[in-house]
Amino acid sequence: DGGITQSPKYLFRKEGQNVTLSCEQNLNHDAMYWYRQDPGQGLRLIYYSQIVNDFQKGDIAEGYSVSREKKESFPLTVTSAQKNPTAFYLCASSLNLGTVSYEQYFGPGTRLTVT
Amino acid sequence: AQTVTQSQPEMSVQEAETVTLSCTYDTSESNYYLFWYKQPPSRQMILVIRQEAYKQQNATENRFSVNFQKAAKSFSLKISDSQLGDTAMYFCASTGGNNNDMRFGAGTRLTVKP
Repeated sequence: DGGITQSPKYLFRKEGQNVTLSCEQNLNHDAMYWYRQDPGQGLRLIYYSQIVNDFQKGDIAEGYSVSREKKESFPLTVTSAQKNPTAFYLCASSLNLGTVSYEQYFGPGTRLTVT
Repeated sequence: AQTVTQSQPEMSVQEAETVTLSCTYDTSESNYYLFWYKQPPSRQMILVIRQEAYKQQNATENRFSVNFQKAAKSFSLKISDSQLGDTAMYFCASTGGNNNDMRFGAGTRLTVKP
């Protein structure tokens, strides 16, 4: 089945450690995105990539890094510089046709807890 | 830059009744899309309905329909014959512009009561 997978579902880390969240898609989508969701808030864009080997910062990129070496994969690293990393992280992908993106398809999310 | 505003943090509706969720947006783009996503307790984001800005006809998907008022930059979601499974967070979103990124509202938590 086509879709987006994120692993793991729950992740626990000690403060000061970097952690990488996985995101894989087999939808053959060009664009991929990472969002952060905090309780009672909407989704905030961390990073996005519209093509392999290229990515752009979103609204809250500080303390995060990404790579896009393959079309199918867009891992997110939460670094120790991120001051409040505990959150729910969602990965998404979409087709980009022309100048406007179509709807985004989302993975199941990863709940990261840093103590 | 695009902004999306949902002014109703929480709403409730009786099973089988109709409820309307509000959304306003602001964009300088002429070509854009609008979406409603549902996030149930599982937290999986599910696309409910989408509207292309250049289409005047309101989109409909079974019990879900939108009221798209382009001049007023309003995009409300109507859920008819509400079901218990409709209980979820609902997010309004828009895309458009050079960056093609999607902007989300803060969400409306809908509870369907038996």
